[in-house]
Amino acid sequence: DSGVTQTPKHLITATGQRVTLRCSPRSGDLSVYWYQQSLDQGLQFLIQYYNGEERAKGNILERFSAQQFPDLHSELNLSSLELGDSALYFCASSANSPHNSPLHFGNGTRLTVT
Amino acid sequence: GIQVEQSPPDLILQEGANSTLRCNFSDSVNNLQWFHQNPWGQLINLFYIPSGTKQNGRLSATTVATERYSLLYISSSQTTDSGVYFCAVNLKSSGNTPLVFGKGTRLSVIA
Repeated sequence: DSGVTQTPKHLITATGQRVTLRCSPRSGDLSVYWYQQSLDQGLQFLIQYYNGEERAKGNILERFSAQQFPDLHSELNLSSLELGDSALYFCASSANSPHNSPLHFGNGTRLTVT
Repeated sequence: GIQVEQSPPDLILQEGANSTLRCNFSDSVNNLQWFHQNPWGQLINLFYIPSGTKQNGRLSATTVATERYSLLYISSSQTTDSGVYFCAVNLKSSGNTPLVFGKGTRLSVIA
């Protein structure tokens, strides 16, 4: 068990809808990362938060947004969903900087858009 | 350009065999980590190894930062080793960006 908790495990929704994915980092970890894994794109970094503030942004669509709350849990909001958004969404956490801390992943949320 | 290249893309082993997976990267690294994604999709951190050698049971890893590669050794492979092995790096030239993942090596260990 990595200590990173993601909910829900599975999500099935229709195109055009909006969903929220939730992540609780490992105890003591200040950084939270979101990654998207699809068959054709591999593991793509979306966004990172550190202690409540956005730290780095990757290939995150404008339809997607995220935040990290004071208790350090994070939420990823996906709106106006399209078929191509179907993927496995991972949350990961680390103690501080990605430069010097191991990254630990949650079990992911499998999103299916129909 | 491509920052992280892993080889081979696919590998099939008989149970008990040894294997070496390779990760090449395009620049000096701040951070290099190896992960195993099991058939159920879970991503497990195997090693945090920006340089040097580490061992954990039947697995070991070596990163030669000056030559820009890392190797993951799996000895006496077991069927539970099956899955995809990812190398992920943070390049010094990338600044403060988080880890970039290679495309992985898919390992199948057959009994």
